[in-house]
Amino acid sequence: AQSVTQPDIHITVSEGASLELRCNYSYGATPYLFWYVQSPGQGLQLLLKYFSGDTLVQGIKGFEAEFKRSQSSFNLRKPSVHWSDAAEYFCAVALDTGRRALTFGSGTRLQVQP
Amino acid sequence: DGGITQSPKYLFRKEGQNVTLSCEQNLNHDAMYWYRQDPGQGLRLIYYSQIVNDFQKGDIAEGYSVSREKKESFPLTVTSAQKNPTAFYLCASSPREAGRETQYFGPGTRLLVL
Repeated sequence: AQSVTQPDIHITVSEGASLELRCNYSYGATPYLFWYVQSPGQGLQLLLKYFSGDTLVQGIKGFEAEFKRSQSSFNLRKPSVHWSDAAEYFCAVALDTGRRALTFGSGTRLQVQP
Repeated sequence: DGGITQSPKYLFRKEGQNVTLSCEQNLNHDAMYWYRQDPGQGLRLIYYSQIVNDFQKGDIAEGYSVSREKKESFPLTVTSAQKNPTAFYLCASSPREAGRETQYFGPGTRLLVL
């Protein structure tokens, strides 16, 4: 069965420190890959996406992600975290055929210490 | 401004009652989706529609129904058959053109049972 795994339920980093959120997927082929961010009680905002091409993808708010086919991973990174980055982060994948709906990981909650 | 609106923001359901959640988009997207989010979990697909007058069940469709009579609208009805409806409901839409199937989300509706 297709699945998306975010192994870290909760991460705490200090403001100004670097950040890496992990995401692994299990699909037969390379899917479309996404990272979304959700503030409490809000909808999801798209941070970045990968469809094809360059495996290092730049997104909004200074985030980037790298697709590694050999590891079936799409980890999210930020060199210097700001207090406003505290939120929940979801990795999601979609196939390029069929229903195209997203399959989500269970999310990683990021806490930022001053 | 283009976007997705969901109403109401909060909805209360009594036992045995059907309730309908509204989702409207003015992005001219063909595809629309409904997801359910429970605390500490990722989003799960309820129903999706890739074109007007057509929709398909997602992974957790039991106890829910939808209609897609207009391109802009995709209402979700939570029926009395849904025994555990308390959750956060998110609507999304996307284009259908290949390479552009990025989903954009509304602000969500929180459904509570009285």
